[in-house]
Amino acid sequence: ETGVTQSPTHLIKTRGQQVTLRCSSQSGHNTVSWYQQALGQGPQFIFQYYREEENGRGNFPPRFSGLQFPNYSSELNVNALELDDSALYLCASSLGLAGDSEQYFGPGTRLTVT
Amino acid sequence: DQQVKQNSPSLSVQEGRISILNCDYTNSMFDYFLWYKKYPAEGPTFLISISSIKDKNEDGRFTVFLNKSAKHLSLHIVPSQPGDSAVYFCAASSNDYKLSFGAGTTVTVRA
Repeated sequence: ETGVTQSPTHLIKTRGQQVTLRCSSQSGHNTVSWYQQALGQGPQFIFQYYREEENGRGNFPPRFSGLQFPNYSSELNVNALELDDSALYLCASSLGLAGDSEQYFGPGTRLTVT
Repeated sequence: DQQVKQNSPSLSVQEGRISILNCDYTNSMFDYFLWYKKYPAEGPTFLISISSIKDKNEDGRFTVFLNKSAKHLSLHIVPSQPGDSAVYFCAASSNDYKLSFGAGTTVTVRA
């Protein structure tokens, strides 16, 4: 059973550009959540996808969008990058929607916006 | 608005002693609480959880206590081991889809 993987590990982008981050969920997990972790803070919920549909969103603007694919891989897209978007982006997969379903986190993608 | 707070950014403890990590929350709708552990360059891993219908849950060296009236929970690690050195996050959910995390406490276990 493979764990949650994310790519790339690190990424440097310029303000105004667009970025796509990728996540491969744990086998059999139908739910993926994305989190943003700024330096010195805990992870902040961005959104969750369940069976390829967005199922809940945190306080993030529409320029943060996502996709989930039938093979349970997923993407986080961020348009019009801002300096404050610099952070560690974590995805987490789980089996089911309930808040108490154990979430398995990937190692994250470190995004730097200059 | 930070609904889950970990007011101690760091904790240093001697090997073999008890580590006590604290967490406070403001949202009375939270009904499930979790602790995650994070090593550098890795994602957070689930450690232990507790439902709001309980006030204590124990798993080996790890025990979580919940005081609903005070909106406070704590994680006890006994005895502390060098491998416990990591960042610990408190998280909470309210029967929906998302976890709200605290800012984390960095634990250093001294030999």
